[in-house]
Amino acid sequence: KAGVTQTPRYLIKTRGQQVTLSCSPISGHRSVSWYQQTPGQGLQFLFEYFSETQRNKGNFPGRFSGRQFSNSRSEMNVSTLELGDSALYLCASSLGLAGPPWFFGPGTRLTVL
Amino acid sequence: AQKITQTQPGMFVQEKEAVTLDCTYDTSDPSYGLFWYKQPSSGEMIFLIYQGSYDQQNATEGRYSLNFQKARKSANLVISASQLGDSAMYFCAMREGGSGGSNYKLTFGKGTLLTVNP
Repeated sequence: KAGVTQTPRYLIKTRGQQVTLSCSPISGHRSVSWYQQTPGQGLQFLFEYFSETQRNKGNFPGRFSGRQFSNSRSEMNVSTLELGDSALYLCASSLGLAGPPWFFGPGTRLTVL
Repeated sequence: AQKITQTQPGMFVQEKEAVTLDCTYDTSDPSYGLFWYKQPSSGEMIFLIYQGSYDQQNATEGRYSLNFQKARKSANLVISASQLGDSAMYFCAMREGGSGGSNYKLTFGKGTLLTVNP
């Protein structure tokens, strides 16, 4: 069974731009979560989607948004990029809303210049 | 207060020896789950083991076992017979919220960097 896939794997953007990251969960998984990982803050929860609905959201500004499609694929968007948005963005999927467990993808490494 | 505390920023172990990575947690929720993930330098988070708060026995998965001490609120990971490929960052994480709850996010500790020496 294929794992969680994330595209692109690497991105370089400049301040003020926007970016869209994509996540395809494991087949049959309906829950997708997003996390931001930085050296300073560690791993922080962004949001979770289940059946195309956002079920939970972390403490991030409104510049961070996401959505889930009917095939459970999810996208995350960051608008008006700031230097501090440079991070590894990890997507995780699980069968149901409560997991467990959550299986993670390889991540998208975003660099904002 | 931190919900997940990993007090060992770095650990060293000799190949073939066992190692214990510490994790303590803080929650008032009676229903929760505890996870360990491995993150090699490539960045991918690899699920290792899970322990539910109501599970009576400690979880085991191959060379990994979770030493769950509920009263102490600790969930230490034990890796037996360490291998060079075990060198990685290890994260302890907790999911709070039982049935009917909505807060199913994972809260992670800061991690422990394990180095296995030949």
